[in-house]
Amino acid sequence: SQTIHQWPATLVQPVGSPLSLECTVEGTSNPNLYWYRQAAGRGLQLLFYSVGIGQISSEVPQNLSASRPQDRQFILSSKKLLLSDSGFYLCAWITFRGVNYGYTFGSGTRLTVV
Amino acid sequence: SQQGEEDPQALSIQEGENATMNCSYKTSINNLQWYRQNSGRGLVHLILIRSNEREKHSGRLRVTLDTSKKSSSLLITASRAADTASYFCATDARAGNQFYFGTGTSLTVIP
Repeated sequence: SQTIHQWPATLVQPVGSPLSLECTVEGTSNPNLYWYRQAAGRGLQLLFYSVGIGQISSEVPQNLSASRPQDRQFILSSKKLLLSDSGFYLCAWITFRGVNYGYTFGSGTRLTVV
Repeated sequence: SQQGEEDPQALSIQEGENATMNCSYKTSINNLQWYRQNSGRGLVHLILIRSNEREKHSGRLRVTLDTSKKSSSLLITASRAADTASYFCATDARAGNQFYFGTGTSLTVIP
């Protein structure tokens, strides 16, 4: 079956520390993968998307980077976290259901930078 | 930006009533989707409506799309307490497969 895994669920990191969030998918090959961030009480902001290994598109300039070292692995990183990086980070991939399609989201990572 | 805007931002209704949420967007789209998010969880895809469709139903959900007004509405009929969640619309750019989300409507259904 097709599933998406995202971890950790919760993370508290000090300002200036590095970050690595990992997302993996199962049951498909060559998926389009996405990282979104959701600030408290706000909508989702698209951060990065990838259509293949090593292919990363950035939507907004920021303190974060993304990598796709394997077909079904998408990593969100930072060398030095800022307070403003706090938020709820969601990984997603496009799933196709016949004539319809949509995102399947992971369960999210709540990041608090202190 | 292409990001959608939902209104109202918050909606509180009694169980059994209907809930209507609206979404407006700025640029041409291929598709518009509605998602649901329970507090602290990932989003769940509810329904997709294509730009050449005007109305779509799925169970107690009814979605309309008016491309001339660049707006969509989500109607939840006979609401239940379990419908309490935030609801987001998402639109795609004509050129790609990325979706842009609105700020969401927080729905509270009072038992």
